[in-house]
Amino acid sequence: AQSVAQPEDQVNVAEGNPLTVKCTYSVSGNPYLFWYVQYPNRGLQFLLKYITGDNLVKGSYGFEAEFNKSQTSFHLKKPSALVSDSALYFCAVRNDMRFGAGTRLTVKP
Amino acid sequence: DAGVTQSPTHLIKTRGQQVTLRCSPKSGHDTVSWYQQALGQGPQFIFQYYEEEERQRGNFPDRFSGHQFPNYSSELNVNALLLGDSALYLCASRDGDWGGRDEQFFGPGTRLTVL
Repeated sequence: AQSVAQPEDQVNVAEGNPLTVKCTYSVSGNPYLFWYVQYPNRGLQFLLKYITGDNLVKGSYGFEAEFNKSQTSFHLKKPSALVSDSALYFCAVRNDMRFGAGTRLTVKP
Repeated sequence: DAGVTQSPTHLIKTRGQQVTLRCSPKSGHDTVSWYQQALGQGPQFIFQYYEEEERQRGNFPDRFSGHQFPNYSSELNVNALLLGDSALYLCASRDGDWGGRDEQFFGPGTRLTVL
């Protein structure tokens, strides 16, 4: 069975500081992994994905994610957080897009 | 390109009623998936349609059914509504990729409230 877990319900960071939103996965076969963001009263927006190749994936809005096979993790990162990054972030896996429970990121000025 | 559109935006029903939600995929996309997102939770996969057939299904009862039309638009039907069916229902589309490598494009959702 394919699944992802987001161990943190909430992440708080100050504007300008680096941010990390954690995701671990459990999959058989190729671990196609995705990050999506959801703003209030909106659908999900694609940020980035890992399919194969370089373990560091760059995506939209300055976000990147690091695939770590030994730790079965796919953490989302950004070097310098913005207040506008405050939203719900979801990690997802493979074709039927099994989503994690989500992490609420709050960036304070 | 209007992206993925869903209708209606909001809907209020009472227990036992039936509801139909509609989705138009992004231009060029032929695969449509439906998700249920309860408050404070991640989206839960309901089912996926391709070439007018249900191709994959999540862990949802038969009260949840769907349809895909020749123009790739789709409907989600829920019968015998329960209070627990209250949620945001999301539609997502992509260009039929069975390898699971392509991202999906999501609509804004339909907020269903069951009283």
